[in-house]
Amino acid sequence: QVQLVESGGGVVQPGGPLRLSCAASGFTLGGSGMHWVRQAPGKGLEWVAYTPYGGNIKYYADSVGGRFTISRDNSINTLYLQVDSLKAEDTGLYYCVKDGGNWELGHWGQGTLVTVSS
Amino acid sequence: QSALTQPASVSGSPGQSITIFCTGTTSDVGVYNYVSWYQQKPGKAPKLMIFGVRNRPSGVSSRFSASKSENTASLTISGLQADDEAHYYCCSYTASNTWVFGGGTKVTVL
Repeated sequence: QVQLVESGGGVVQPGGPLRLSCAASGFTLGGSGMHWVRQAPGKGLEWVAYTPYGGNIKYYADSVGGRFTISRDNSINTLYLQVDSLKAEDTGLYYCVKDGGNWELGHWGQGTLVTVSS
Repeated sequence: QSALTQPASVSGSPGQSITIFCTGTTSDVGVYNYVSWYQQKPGKAPKLMIFGVRNRPSGVSSRFSASKSENTASLTISGLQADDEAHYYCCSYTASNTWVFGGGTKVTVL
């Protein structure tokens, strides 16, 4: 079955970088669109980024404004989110999500927590 | 991209039906049939409940139904059960090739 395991979260100072990883199993990453979604503590869901199965096109939320980069390594079935110039408002749980094929967010990982604090 | 609009909370007694409305614009809900709904319980990842406006994934109870009219989508839970208590989020694909969520609705079973 589909399994997504995120890692790479932690405490980082404002302005710092972080790279989040998502290990995928139970399906072929290269054949699937993939998203990152985040959730600030006690708040709602916010879509962050998407890459279709081809991987060459990437879409981002305006709020992450060129600071985030989604990428994938299909050879090791791993999705990444490079987050740069981190701000306090980037604090939250970051979920890796497999697209369901009809523009829905089909399968979710358990998330990795990013805390931006000095 | 502004968030879709959902009520902060909805409540009902066991066995009753409740409906959650989700209002968007002509750039998202109104123009695409790519509205989905998610259930999130405390400490858990969201779970897909509805996709393509009205379709249930395998394993989701038929007590959950959904529809859309113009810029507003809706999720109805029939025969409300204690286990339905959770936050529910609507989501739509948009004309900007992005996705937008609603603010979330807390469903309380009285």
